[in-house]
Amino acid sequence: NAGVTQTPKFRILKIGQSMTLQCTQDMNHNYMYWYRQDPGMGLKLIYYSVGAGITDKGEVPNGYNVSRSTTEDFPLRLELAAPSQTSVYFCASSWRRGSTDTQYFGPGTRLTVL
Amino acid sequence: GNSVTQMEGPVTLSEEAFLTINCTYTATGYPSLFWYVQYPGEGLQLLLKATKADDKGSNKGFEATYRKETTSFHLEKGSVQVSDSAVYFCALSEDAGKSTFGDGTTLTVKP
Repeated sequence: NAGVTQTPKFRILKIGQSMTLQCTQDMNHNYMYWYRQDPGMGLKLIYYSVGAGITDKGEVPNGYNVSRSTTEDFPLRLELAAPSQTSVYFCASSWRRGSTDTQYFGPGTRLTVL
Repeated sequence: GNSVTQMEGPVTLSEEAFLTINCTYTATGYPSLFWYVQYPGEGLQLLLKATKADDKGSNKGFEATYRKETTSFHLEKGSVQVSDSAVYFCALSEDAGKSTFGDGTTLTVKP
């Protein structure tokens, strides 16, 4: 049981390039999330999904896109990378029951846009 | 909207000292409350949680009590160790699919 896995661990992009951050969970969780964590700050929710085929915007969705074609996978797409997207990106998943939403996090992807 | 406010860090303590990290929240309903811990280079992991008023969450010597009257969920530990050095996040969960996190408090414990 690997939990939540993310690839790549590190990436450097040039301004204007695109990339996809991969996230997979093997816990059969219905909810999945993408966060960004800027230095010294908390987590900002980018997008989330309540199940396969259903996604919704979080607090900071601009410049990102997601899809959820299966329960296990929740990739995050960056189009036209900008320096403001330099951050650490965390994927998380949970089996939501009411408001008790314990999230399980991946190890993160550290992205630098130059 | 919902919000979580944590005491600012960094916090530096000597080994075996008492730890308190304050957390207060604003929510429209009856959220669940969490403390997550992030060790260097890793993702967040659940430390403890409480789902209703007056519940006490505990794990690894850490405790926090859900205080509805003061809208607080302060983290405490009686005797910290060097291995407790990490960033601690207070969080609440209420609406479907949305958790709110504090900005994190960095704890450094010196031998």
